[in-house]
Amino acid sequence: DAGVTQSPTHLIKTRGQQVTLRCSPKSGHDTVSWYQQALGQGPQFIFQYYEEEERQRGNFPDRFSGHQFPNYSSELNVNALLLGDSALYLCASSGDRGWNTEAFFGQGTRLTVV
Amino acid sequence: GENVEQHPSTLSVQEGDSAVIKCTYSDSASNYFPWYKQELGKGPQLIIDIRSNVGEKKDQRIAVTLNKTAKHFSLHITETQPEDSAVYFCAAISSYKLIFGSGTRLLVRP
Repeated sequence: DAGVTQSPTHLIKTRGQQVTLRCSPKSGHDTVSWYQQALGQGPQFIFQYYEEEERQRGNFPDRFSGHQFPNYSSELNVNALLLGDSALYLCASSGDRGWNTEAFFGQGTRLTVV
Repeated sequence: GENVEQHPSTLSVQEGDSAVIKCTYSDSASNYFPWYKQELGKGPQLIIDIRSNVGEKKDQRIAVTLNKTAKHFSLHITETQPEDSAVYFCAAISSYKLIFGSGTRLLVRP
């Protein structure tokens, strides 16, 4: 079992550009959540996908959007990048519809906006 | 809104000593509390969790306690080893999402 895999591992973008990050959940998991982790802080919830729909959303602007595919993999898109979007982006997957169950994280994508 | 507070922010112990990290949460509906260990350049790794119908859970050198009345939960690491050095995060689940504490940097001195 490969666990949760994310790509790419590192990315450098220019302000104003758009970026797409990808996540493959752990085998058997149907729910994917995305988190943003700024340096020295705890992860902050962006949104969660279940059955290809956004089920929950944190306090992030509409520039952040996502998608879940029929195979449960997911993408995070960020438009009009700002310097403040520089962070580690983490994907977490869980089973049992994501309710009250273990969430396993990938290694993250380090995004740097210059 | 939902909030999780974590203390201390840094903790330095001698190898073999115990380490305790404490968290409080605000959402009384939270019923699942995981702990994660994050090493440099890696994603958070689930090390132990506890559900609201249990007061204590132990896994070898790691234990977690939960006081639902006080909305407190704690991580206890006994017989610490240098490889325990990392950042530890507590979290509480609230409406499907995990609310994380701000983290504790644990340093175990050989």
